[in-house]
Amino acid sequence: AQSVAQPEDQVNVAEGNPLTVKCTYSVSGNPYLFWYVQYPNRGLQFLLKYITGDNLVKGSYGFEAEFNKSQTSFHLKKPSALVSDSALYFCAVRDMDNFNKFYFGSGTKLNVKP
Amino acid sequence: DSGVTQTPKHLITATGQRVTLRCSPRSGDLSVYWYQQSLDQGLQFLIQYYNGEERAKGNILERFSAQQFPDLHSELNLSSLELGDSALYFCASSVDDGKAFFGQGTRLTVV
Repeated sequence: AQSVAQPEDQVNVAEGNPLTVKCTYSVSGNPYLFWYVQYPNRGLQFLLKYITGDNLVKGSYGFEAEFNKSQTSFHLKKPSALVSDSALYFCAVRDMDNFNKFYFGSGTKLNVKP
Repeated sequence: DSGVTQTPKHLITATGQRVTLRCSPRSGDLSVYWYQQSLDQGLQFLIQYYNGEERAKGNILERFSAQQFPDLHSELNLSSLELGDSALYFCASSVDDGKAFFGQGTRLTVV
């Protein structure tokens, strides 16, 4: 079965410091991986995706994610956090063998303190 | 603006009632997904439609149903509502490039 795990409910980081939000996945075929961000009372917004190619994917707002096949991970990173990055972050995998169904992690709340 | 429109934005209703949530996908997107986001369960996939036909079912209760119309808009029907059905309901649409676009969600409160 396909699944996505975000082991941390919450990540706290000081403004200006690097941040990492963790995600591991389980898929039977090649993974299509995504990160989305949700601000309070808003819908999810696409940040970045990995389908194939370079393991380091660059996305919106200075975020990037590193695909690691051996560790089945797709951690979200940013070199220097901003207070405005505080939000809920969701990792997702798309099952291309099952009608393109999306599986989402439970979400990680990122708190960036000034 | 993702291009996906959900109405209404907020809905307050009593237990036992029935409501309909509406989603208009992005122009040209044939796939529509419905998700439920509650405080304690994160984002749960409910159901997917593709070009009017049901494609995949997730954790959707029997009290809930959905359909996609010829113009590709979709409706999620929730009946015999319970307090635990209070949640944010999201609709998303996609084409086959792997990226899904989400609406702003409908916040349902059952009292």
